[in-house]
Amino acid sequence: AQSVTQLGSHVSVSEGALVLLRCNYSSSVPPYLFWYVQYPNQGLQLLLKYTSAATLVKGINGFEAEFKKSETSFHLTKPSAHMSDAAEYFCAVTQTFTDKLIFGTGTRLQVFP
Amino acid sequence: ETGVTQTPRHLVMGMTNKKSLKCEQHLGHNAMYWYKQSAKKPLELMFVYNFKEQTENNSVPSRFSPECPNSSHLFLHLHTLQPEDSALYLCASSQRQGAYEQYFGPGTRLTVT
Repeated sequence: AQSVTQLGSHVSVSEGALVLLRCNYSSSVPPYLFWYVQYPNQGLQLLLKYTSAATLVKGINGFEAEFKKSETSFHLTKPSAHMSDAAEYFCAVTQTFTDKLIFGTGTRLQVFP
Repeated sequence: ETGVTQTPRHLVMGMTNKKSLKCEQHLGHNAMYWYKQSAKKPLELMFVYNFKEQTENNSVPSRFSPECPNSSHLFLHLHTLQPEDSALYLCASSQRQGAYEQYFGPGTRLTVT
């Protein structure tokens, strides 16, 4: 069965600091991986996706993620945090074009001035 | 209207009431989803519709009844709910069911009293 684990339910960074949100997946076949962001009182918005092309994926708002098969990881990074990045971030995995998305429990990012 | 819209945004109902949640997508997609988001729990997939046909019911209690009259509209009919059903209900759509990115609405915050 496929699953994702997000390490750290809360992450705090200072404005301008590196953002690193961790996601590890479990999948018996090559996965498709996604990062979503949820701002307060809103639905989820797709940040980026990996579908077996380039291992380094660039998304919106300056975020990127790298697929590392050897580490079964798909960590989300941003070089310099902005106050507007404060939100909850969800990693998700699926396997084939008929499978459902499996979401992690989310990581809440706080950005301090 | 663009994207995925949901109405109402907030709903308070008693346990004996009957109410409905509405979702509409303006993206030309063919798959629609209902999710339940509770605090400190992963997103729970409830129902999936692909080309108006229900393809997944994730063991959801019968007090939740979905309806998909066409590929653009999705309803969730609610009756005799329990306090533990209080949550954010999210609607999403995708091009087709499966490993395509899903686009989410803002959600309906439901409180059962």
